[in-house]
Amino acid sequence: GENVEQHPSTLSVQEGDSAVIKCTYSDSASNYFPWYKQELGKRPQLIIDIRSNVGEKKDQRIAVTLNKTAKHFSLHITETQPEDSAVYFCAGTPSGSARQLTFGSGTQLTVLP
Amino acid sequence: DAGVTQSPTHLIKTRGQQVTLRCSPKSGHDTVSWYQQALGQGPQFIFQYYEEEERQRGNFPDRFSGHQFPNYSSELNVNALLLGDSALYLCASSIGQGASNSPLHFGNGTRLTVT
Repeated sequence: GENVEQHPSTLSVQEGDSAVIKCTYSDSASNYFPWYKQELGKRPQLIIDIRSNVGEKKDQRIAVTLNKTAKHFSLHITETQPEDSAVYFCAGTPSGSARQLTFGSGTQLTVLP
Repeated sequence: DAGVTQSPTHLIKTRGQQVTLRCSPKSGHDTVSWYQQALGQGPQFIFQYYEEEERQRGNFPDRFSGHQFPNYSSELNVNALLLGDSALYLCASSIGQGASNSPLHFGNGTRLTVT
């Protein structure tokens, strides 16, 4: 089945700096890669997603890049703010299954003021 | 427009007992998926319900079962509770079965503690 590995597990950056979180996946059939943000005690919220026919997608300060050949994708947050502090999860779709997501283990991002 | 709602928010059960968790999907959504999130881990897929049937199942034992009602709401049942079942149980709703066609919207979850 699909295995999604995420790193780093913790990341601290200064306010205004950029943050990059990387994920690798094992199933070459995986074709949809969302990123979720989960603040302490709250629900995971979708922040951006990318499909396998696209190499990059950007939404204001957030961007995601996908390298299908290498089977990895990354989340880039620019001009970080304290409210970006949260746990971020990447996910993939095993065997191209549209019915379920396989999540990474999460990255605790801390933005220092 | 109400999002995904789950009840109860917290639950404490004893080993061997049975528990039922409930979920109402976001308005307009017809598909419900359940995930288990252990402390410090990413959510793990339990199963998905669409048109009142279980459509796909993750690597969870038969002690985990579910149901979807005609109004699209859903229940997750866990029998013979084990200590290892302690986790946050997340319900997610979407339109149709395809995660890539309709992003998952999560509820706030039910925190289950088994003692």
